[in-house]
Amino acid sequence: DIQMTQSPSSLSASVGDRVTITCRASQGISKYLAWYQQKPGKAPVLLMYDAFNLQSGVPSRFSGSGSGTDFTLTINSLQPDDVATYYCQNYYIAPFTFGPGTKVDI
Amino acid sequence: EVELLESGGGLVQPGGSLRLSCAASGFTFSSFAMNWVRQAPGKGLAWVTALTGAGNRAYYTDSVKGRFTISRDNSKNTLYLQMNSLTADDTAVYYCAKGRGSGTYYVDVWGEGTTVTVSS
Repeated sequence: DIQMTQSPSSLSASVGDRVTITCRASQGISKYLAWYQQKPGKAPVLLMYDAFNLQSGVPSRFSGSGSGTDFTLTINSLQPDDVATYYCQNYYIAPFTFGPGTKVDI
Repeated sequence: EVELLESGGGLVQPGGSLRLSCAASGFTFSSFAMNWVRQAPGKGLAWVTALTGAGNRAYYTDSVKGRFTISRDNSKNTLYLQMNSLTADDTAVYYCAKGRGSGTYYVDVWGEGTTVTVSS
């Protein structure tokens, strides 16, 4: 099975900072990676799919890159509303595993 | 508007069974793969199982194989999760989650979740 790791596990940054989260797959998954945002007590929300495609309605300060095994989610100009936990997910091959999450605070 | 409404969660004893349902609306249900994703208290997201739009192929995470069964009734726009031989490790919020396409499994719409507690 493909294992997903994320780094860092948590971070604290200031409003306006650029934040980068890394996700790594234990084997190549091409472009088949999604990113989600989850706020406390709420269901997750899709941010990115196919590694770098922005889901409709998601602010353009979010961007994604990578392919194969190494991926990044970048938040340009961090906003208070971005406080959340971020998860990556492999959907290249089952099981469609999630990463352990990265908690972002301000 | 696309909506997913889970039901069937509750308190069950170890070794017991429970069936979750997810009523879908606002889209052509049979055209989309569906998932169940769970989240144990204070933990991260864990993908559990997925089913193609036609209902002819299912996938499971190892820890639930042989105990959980995903199914769907496309005439009723409803997804199910039959859970047997439950243990404390199955305690979680269970989310019904719509895939982007018939065989595309990342989630573009999530339900609000239903809570399953396995305890004596």
